This record gives sequence, structure tokens and C-alpha cells, in this order.
Amino acid sequence: EPEVTQTPSHQVTQMGQEVILRCVPISNHLYFYWYRQILGQKVEFLVSFYNNEISEKSEIFDDQFSVERPDGSNFTLKIRSTKLEDSAMYFCASRETGDEQFFGPGTRLTVL
Amino acid sequence: GQQVMQIPQYQHVQEGEDFTTYCNSSTTLSNIQWYKQRPGGHPVFLIQLVKSGEVKKQKRLTFQFGEAKKNSSLHITATQTTDVGTYFCAARPYSGGGADGLTFGKGTHLIIQP
Repeated sequence: EPEVTQTPSHQVTQMGQEVILRCVPISNHLYFYWYRQILGQKVEFLVSFYNNEISEKSEIFDDQFSVERPDGSNFTLKIRSTKLEDSAMYFCASRETGDEQFFGPGTRLTVL
Repeated sequence: GQQVMQIPQYQHVQEGEDFTTYCNSSTTLSNIQWYKQRPGGHPVFLIQLVKSGEVKKQKRLTFQFGEAKKNSSLHITATQTTDVGTYFCAARPYSGGGADGLTFGKGTHLIIQP
């Protein structure tokens, strides 16, 4: 069964460094999302992406964040200058035309 | 922004007992989705409810959407150890735009004692 994949599974970085989190959505899906989940808390929407552009972004998704679909398969989230409070699990999700979103296994980001 | 409130935050039950989690919104929802997240895992879609007053069943799970489309519930009958995890409701705003992100509730952590 097709699934969303994410790399790396765990990223440790120093405060102020740039990180790129990578996702490969399910191949025929059209809508792509990034969410984050701080340990023990709820899942929070960051950004949605459709037709090669951002469709919607939340208040969390400030100028430090950017997304890109550099080729036909990858979908990346870049954090330009990480802060301690960016430590969280980051989930990529995708969907076709239906409403079900398929989540990847997540990347745990630890900012020291 | 839109918020969905979910209660309880934690629920301890004995195996075999029933479990219910509730989700409420102050605004009318276009639809509501339910996800399950196992410990250390990622959210997995369970179901979507769209119609006012809708009730859907999946084996021991019963999902309801309120008449006013502002609340929803998930009920599990006779819980099993495999039901352990966190159950989240998630909603899209009423405008229901094509790529809207989901607003998740805080989730209910289901803990089952054998």
C-alpha cells in the first residue's frame, strides 16, 4: 500500500541553524501539508500546498519557514534559523481528491 | 481562528469497558474527521462525517455528528488493548476550501488497564 515517507526520522540541530525536512508524498496525490506536534500536545497545521504554491498557512508559519516541491516527488519544509521552541515532531501529509489525509511517520526535530 | 475543544484529555478504562470522547466547536463545521494516533506513531484517518446528525459505525466504533454540525463524538464499545492511543477530532472551516489544513482537537488519551 502506498505511504508517505519522511526523512530523516530524527534531526538534532543547534539553535540558529537551518534545517530541511523532507517528505515524499503518495505519488498521485495533489494536496500536501505540513503539521507539527510538540511532545504530548495536539497536532498543529502549518501549511498546505497545491498546484505548486502555498494554499494556506497558519500563524505558526512565519518568515522562518518555507516549503518547496523541487521535483515531482519531494516536498520539503525549511526552517531558516531554528529556535528552541521549534523542537517538535513534524508530520507531512498528502491527499488525493478525497478528504482523507495520509500522514507520514514524522521527523523528530530537536533544537539544542 | 477556529478551535475545536475535545474532552476528556485522558480516559482510563478497564478492558471491556466502553469509551467516549467528545468534540465541540463554537462555529459550524463543514465536516469533521477522526484520527487515531498510537503511542510513538502518526495520525491515522478513521472516518469523516459530513451530514447533520450523521451516525457511522466501524465495528466497535460509533461516530456521531451533531444536528447543528458543531459537535461530534466517538464511542468505542467493549475496549480492547489494541484501542490504546490518542483519538483526535479534526475539522476544516465551513468554507471548506480545497487545500485547507485541519484544525485538531487536543485529543483524548485512552489508557486501558487489563
